[in-house]
Amino acid sequence: QVQLQESGPGLVRPSETLSLTCTVSDYSITTDYSWGWIRQPPGRGLEWIGIIYHSGSAYYNPSLKSRVTISVDTSKNQFSLGLSSVTAADTAVYYCARVLGIPAEMYFDYWGQGTLVTVSS
Amino acid sequence: SYDLTQPPSVSVSPGQTARITCSGDKLGNEYTCWYQQKPGQSPVLVIYQDRKRPSGIPERFSGSNSGNTATLTISGTQAMDEADYYCQTWDSNTVVFGGGTKLTVL
Repeated sequence: QVQLQESGPGLVRPSETLSLTCTVSDYSITTDYSWGWIRQPPGRGLEWIGIIYHSGSAYYNPSLKSRVTISVDTSKNQFSLGLSSVTAADTAVYYCARVLGIPAEMYFDYWGQGTLVTVSS
Repeated sequence: SYDLTQPPSVSVSPGQTARITCSGDKLGNEYTCWYQQKPGQSPVLVIYQDRKRPSGIPERFSGSNSGNTATLTISGTQAMDEADYYCQTWDSNTVVFGGGTKLTVL
């Protein structure tokens, strides 16, 4: 069974860059799947951040696109999230997930446990 | 941007049928999936491609999608089904989530 685990700082200063890594276990990230990031502010709903396809192409939430980068490190079986110029509004639980399906029918079938990132000075 | 609208809350008695709706412009032309999220836990996929159930999801969970509305139906609702439920679709290279519905079993 695929396992995903987020890691990274739990506290980030305003205006700095949030960096998280998702380590995938019991599954090779180079296999034909895509990978994504989703976040959830405290007490609120899910917000999609972005997806990176097996091909290496990435698609981002238009509202975050100018600040987001998702990349894959096949040597470590990991993929990463970078979010620049953070503010308190970026405080959330961040989830990584595996993506199944072609674009028109994509869904997230395996999720990490989530990691809380707080933006505060 | 494309919006998905869900009722904030739905209540159901144990053993009864719960229906949670998700509305969007011509949503029936797109595939929709559903996630269940219990407090302090990660979301779990319960329905994908409108009506398919992943392995391990009870048969009481079913889905449909037509016109402007997708519906998650839970037949014979149990106390363990109390959770937040989110619909999700794909539009113009973006993933869209509904705002979520809190299902209360009382």
